[in-house]
Amino acid sequence: DAKTTQPTSMDCAEGRAANLPCNHSTISGNEYVYWYRQIHSQGPQYIIHGLKNNETNEMASLIITEDRKSSTLILPHATLRDTAVYYCIVRVRAGGFKTIFGAGTRLFVKA
Amino acid sequence: DTEVTQTPKHLVMGMTNKKSLKCEQHMGHRAMYWYKQKAKKPPELMFVYSYEKLSINESVPSRFSPECPNSSLLNLHLHALQPEDSALYLCASSQEGPTSGRASGETQYFGPGTRLLVL
Repeated sequence: DAKTTQPTSMDCAEGRAANLPCNHSTISGNEYVYWYRQIHSQGPQYIIHGLKNNETNEMASLIITEDRKSSTLILPHATLRDTAVYYCIVRVRAGGFKTIFGAGTRLFVKA
Repeated sequence: DTEVTQTPKHLVMGMTNKKSLKCEQHMGHRAMYWYKQKAKKPPELMFVYSYEKLSINESVPSRFSPECPNSSLLNLHLHALQPEDSALYLCASSQEGPTSGRASGETQYFGPGTRLLVL
């Protein structure tokens, strides 16, 4: 699995969009980008994943650059409950079991 | 139902005790996982079961013994643990096993974890 690099921490004002970047410059053509988050003392929660097209669901949007070497998770209207550690992970599409968590980004949403 | 349950929520044990952690899912998932998470660190994969067979063991010490009695249940048997084994133990499941051709089939759903303290 390709390695990911994320900022250690970020702040965001409540109600504003939170943009969380992730670098994955060694990503392979068959590797997907996944995002999970972990709210304090809870299990990680799946957010979204994508291969090369931008993706959107009820929680967030995922923007992947054309060269696939980086991506951005967007929480359109951050709330205090979005304060969590956000993990960007890349993994192979098939046969790859290992989900290797990097250090993640600690997002603080402030009132 | 997209829930993975884990029991107990908290566990305190001595180094000579034998205990077990339990994990259950009723989503029909065929892959189940154990992770270990130390404070302020990301989760680390320990074991993966696919179709009730152990498919990955990340060089975990033998004092941790996983068991998958059926497709809905996953246990982690603990014996002669050390204080450094104190951590949050997370269980997860995903729809499909190693031959999955669909990325969505490998989306993992996590339980709330068991917080273990070894004295």
